[in-house]
Amino acid sequence: ELKVEQNPLFLSMQEGKNYTIYCNYSTTSDRLYWYRQDPGKSLESLFVLLSNGAVKQEGRLMASLDTKARLSTLHITAAVHDLSATYFCAVKYYGGSQGNLIFGKGTKLSVKP
Amino acid sequence: NAGVTQTPKFRILKIGQSMTLQCTQDMNHNYMYWYRQDPGMGLKLIYYSVGAGITDKGEVPNGYNVSRSTTEDFPLRLELAAPSQTSVYFCASNPDEFWDMTGNQPQHFGDGTRLSIL
Repeated sequence: ELKVEQNPLFLSMQEGKNYTIYCNYSTTSDRLYWYRQDPGKSLESLFVLLSNGAVKQEGRLMASLDTKARLSTLHITAAVHDLSATYFCAVKYYGGSQGNLIFGKGTKLSVKP
Repeated sequence: NAGVTQTPKFRILKIGQSMTLQCTQDMNHNYMYWYRQDPGMGLKLIYYSVGAGITDKGEVPNGYNVSRSTTEDFPLRLELAAPSQTSVYFCASNPDEFWDMTGNQPQHFGDGTRLSIL
């Protein structure tokens, strides 16, 4: 069974600072997704990472994947208040008849002035 | 383009009542999913479907049923509502992954249904 662990679960940052969210998973997978969720809202796709060493960047967010270490990171550069949200990683799991997504518990990010 | 549409947005049920959560998508996606999200937790898969007429259980299927008579619709039914089913329910869809060699097709989520069972 695939387990996905994110840390930290809560993160309070000051504007302008950098920080990294970590996503570890327990079994082999070839796809990892990062989503953003604002309070009371649905999930918005941020990144899809497919291969070892994959790196994707959008604005102040950069995601990377190390399939050998079973680790993905979401790096925040020079945080701004608009980045306050909960961030989920989700890993494709092929243990059943079809691949399904297994989600981490999420990292609630609060960026303060 | 509406994407994934869920109804209702909010609902309060009494214990033992039944209801159907509706989900429809207009993107012609074969794959559809139902998740529940409990407070402070990630999403857990209830049921999924890879095409009309085909459904399968996810991680937490007990107490739920689904059907998929058309590509567009994937309703989720609660037969005997229990307090443990109080949650936010999300429907999602994506294209047939067999044809998506780039993998750049994340699941598209609806806005969710907030369900309370008292």
